[in-house]
Amino acid sequence: DQQVKQNSPSLSVQEGRISILNCDYTNSMFDYFLWYKKYPAEGPTFLISISSIKDKNEDGRFTVFLNKSAKHLSLHIVPSQPGDSAVYFCAAKGDSGTYKYIFGTGTRLKVLA
Amino acid sequence: DTGVSQNPRHKITKRGQNVTFRCDPISEHNRLYWYRQTLGQGPEFLTYFQNEAQLEKSRLLSDRFSAERPKGSFSTLEIQRTEQGDSAMYLCASSLGGGDEKLFFGSGTQLSVL
Repeated sequence: DQQVKQNSPSLSVQEGRISILNCDYTNSMFDYFLWYKKYPAEGPTFLISISSIKDKNEDGRFTVFLNKSAKHLSLHIVPSQPGDSAVYFCAAKGDSGTYKYIFGTGTRLKVLA
Repeated sequence: DTGVSQNPRHKITKRGQNVTFRCDPISEHNRLYWYRQTLGQGPEFLTYFQNEAQLEKSRLLSDRFSAERPKGSFSTLEIQRTEQGDSAMYLCASSLGGGDEKLFFGSGTQLSVL
C-alpha cells in the first residue's frame, strides 16, 4: 500500500523554466511533509518542508504548495538550473505520536541547458 | 557540525555472513532513523530511535535485522545471515526533534551480498 505516490517517474525541463514536481498521498493524518533531492551514490539532501497548517512555503528558488483537500503537494523550482538535475523525493509524516516518514518513489528531473 | 556520518561507505559480503553498519548522527539530534533504498525506489523505513529508545520498527524488518543506539549517540545496524535480497543502500538520518522534524541523511552504506 503506497501511501505516498509520485506518479511521474521523470520530467525534462528547459534551463530557466519552471519545474513542477507532484506528490499525492492517501493518509489524511499526515501532518508534515518534506522534499529531498538525491544524486547517485549519495544520501538525500533536504530541500524544503511544509506543515499541514500551511498551504505554501518558500525558500529561494523552491516553493512547496500543499492542497490538503486534494491530498496533493507540489514542488516548484524557478528558475530551473542544470545543477537541479537529480531525483526528487517527497516524504510525509503522520501524527499520533509517530515520527516515521514515508517516502514516495521519486521523480527524476533533467534540466536541459 | 559535520553532518551525519556513516561507515563503511561500501560493503561487499558473501551470503550467510553477518554485517554491521555504524551511524554517527548530528550532535544534539535526538532522533535517529534507518532507511533502506533499492534502485528505482524511495527510501523504505526500517526503524527509528528517540535518544536510546527504539520507538518503532518496520514490520518488514525480519529478525535478522537488529539496531541499537547505546547512550543515545551513535547507532549500529546489524544484519545476520545476509541474503542477496539484502543488497541495498542503507541510509541513516537524524533530526533535532522538539518541533524541528527535518531529517538529515548521511551518505549511506552500499551493501552488496554475493
